[in-house]
Amino acid sequence: DAGVIQSPRHEVTEMGQEVTLRCKPISGHDYLFWYRQTMMRGLELLIYFNNNVPIDDSGMPEDRFSAKMPNASFSTLKIQPSEPRDSAVYFCASSPRLAEYSEQFFGPGTRLTVL
Amino acid sequence: KNQVEQSPQSLIILEGKNCTLQCNYTVSPFSNLRWYKQDTGRGPVSLTIMTFSENTKSNGRYTATLDADTKQSSLHITASQLSDSASYICVVSQRGSQGNLIFGKGTKLSVKP
Repeated sequence: DAGVIQSPRHEVTEMGQEVTLRCKPISGHDYLFWYRQTMMRGLELLIYFNNNVPIDDSGMPEDRFSAKMPNASFSTLKIQPSEPRDSAVYFCASSPRLAEYSEQFFGPGTRLTVL
Repeated sequence: KNQVEQSPQSLIILEGKNCTLQCNYTVSPFSNLRWYKQDTGRGPVSLTIMTFSENTKSNGRYTATLDADTKQSSLHITASQLSDSASYICVVSQRGSQGNLIFGKGTKLSVKP
């Protein structure tokens, strides 16, 4: 299995532009998570899905952030408009069952820089 | 407030030496505790997962301990190698949280030759 796949690996954009991050979870995993990692705050959960349905989006910082999972093999995280404070590494992770008892498998991350 | 605190923030050791990383948590009710290794530029990778009833768990040269009474965990690395240079993140799962893991900020370990 290729593991969790994320694209792009690096994104540099200017303030105000729309940014779309993509994730392909491990086949057969029912749970998908989006995280943001910064030096100051560490890893933070933004949103997670179960069987393509958003379960908890309380970590999404504001309305500029949105996430979708149109099918079991694809998810997007969109920031519109982007701001310099959104600069961070964004990770997608998936797990085969309820995460409380199950290991999460992380993708390589997308390093976002907003100028 | 549910928190996970790790110490030290960073650590430098010589190759071949042992080291111990600490994790204190205030998460309640507790479900399980994980240690992740994160290499620079990569996603975290799970090393161990321990439930309430487990005191010790090993994964090669990595040994994690858990004291659920004092809410402390440690990760001991034996005979360190250059490839152990990474950030080590302690993560606690809250019982009934359905997916919400609470992450520590990590300890950055550098192993020097």
